[in-house]
Amino acid sequence: EAGVVQSPRYKIIEKKQPVAFWCNPISGHNTLYWYRQNLGQGPELLIRYENEEAVDDSQLPKDRFSAERLKGVDSTLKIQPAELGDSAVYLCASSLVWGGVAKNIQYFGAGTRLSVL
Amino acid sequence: DAKTTQPPSMDCAEGRAANLPCNHSTISGNEYVYWYRQIHSQGPQYIIHGLKNNETNEMASLIITEDRKSSTLILPHATLRDTAVYYCIVRVAKNAGGTSYGKLTFGQGTILTVHP
Repeated sequence: EAGVVQSPRYKIIEKKQPVAFWCNPISGHNTLYWYRQNLGQGPELLIRYENEEAVDDSQLPKDRFSAERLKGVDSTLKIQPAELGDSAVYLCASSLVWGGVAKNIQYFGAGTRLSVL
Repeated sequence: DAKTTQPPSMDCAEGRAANLPCNHSTISGNEYVYWYRQIHSQGPQYIIHGLKNNETNEMASLIITEDRKSSTLILPHATLRDTAVYYCIVRVAKNAGGTSYGKLTFGQGTILTVHP
């Protein structure tokens, strides 16, 4: 079974440029998460989707970050414009949440390492 | 979600058991203990979770104290491939309403280094 697939693995851009990350979750998983991981730190949640709906985006910097999950499957995370402080690893995870009781086992992709110069 | 405390680093000899402690003294009755690990350049990987009983799977064992204020993750026969950052996370597993229950709050974890 394929895991969570993210692309690209690495991205180098200059500041003020836009950038987008793509995530394909595990088939059948209805919940999708985007996390950001700074060097030497644990991941921090940016946004969580249940199907197409963003149910928790409280940590997403909405002035420059946006995300979408069309048709409740794949998702993209965009930064426009990127700043030096956005350099980090962006992780996507998915899980199966059903009947109000979450399995709560999140499966992570390998991440996209973003370097903003 | 309750906060956890882990040692920043630990060493273990290959083939020996690795015992990783976690303190979660403010854990609530409906909060589970989860363990994830992150190998270099990979995303976090689920290991095991439990509420109050000890748990075992093909990867590890989880021992939770009777008062639930601390736990230990045991890798019975550590290999070089077990070198990773290990995260202990406490969180609500059942949907108690609101938007925060789905979030994993990672600390800085324990860097486990397995030596030949």
